[in-house]
Amino acid sequence: DAMVIQNPRYQVTQFGKPVTLSCSQTLNHNVMYWYQQKSSQAPKLLFHYYDKDFNNEADTPDNFQSRRPNTSFCFLDIRSPGLGDAAMYLCATSRDSGAHYEQYFGPGTRLTVT
Amino acid sequence: GDSVTQMEGPVTLSEEAFLTINCTYTATGYPSLFWYVQYPGEGLQLLLKATKADDKGSNKGFEATYRKETTSFHLEKGSVQVSDSAVYFCALDRDDKIIFGKGTRLHILP
Repeated sequence: DAMVIQNPRYQVTQFGKPVTLSCSQTLNHNVMYWYQQKSSQAPKLLFHYYDKDFNNEADTPDNFQSRRPNTSFCFLDIRSPGLGDAAMYLCATSRDSGAHYEQYFGPGTRLTVT
Repeated sequence: GDSVTQMEGPVTLSEEAFLTINCTYTATGYPSLFWYVQYPGEGLQLLLKATKADDKGSNKGFEATYRKETTSFHLEKGSVQVSDSAVYFCALDRDDKIIFGKGTRLHILP
């Protein structure tokens, strides 16, 4: 089945040690999103790619970076994770941008920072 | 800024009970409104949506009506099942971005 895949599902990293989370999609969608969801809070958009165009949210810390080497893959890099970065990270895709285009979510990667 | 407020959970009901999860929003203009559902171990899925005032979204027995006058989009189901146990997120669209509420966890007891 076409889907959004996130690896790994659980990731443990040490304080200050760079970590990369991975997302891939078989939907051939133009747009890929990364959200951060802390416990009992709403998912918060960090950034998104429209094709190769990167769109950063104004309040996303510089510690968070992203790469999209091709249509299928998108990576979230956390350069120096702090304890406050422990969260569920959700990847989503949509065929195009706008409310008429459904976002399809992956199962998420739960990040623990020790 | 735009925001979504939904009732805090967890909500625990018996099977076949009537469900209401309240959602209100604050926004300029008339955003599209959504309900997403997240089953255990899975990603968020779009459950239903409404794009203009008085529209009713429906799916899998769930319904929600876009009420402009009360800025609300309450989720309802007439008879819940154990398989409806999940976290439900109310959301709105603003400038091609989705703004989510905090989510309401629903437990259905057999």
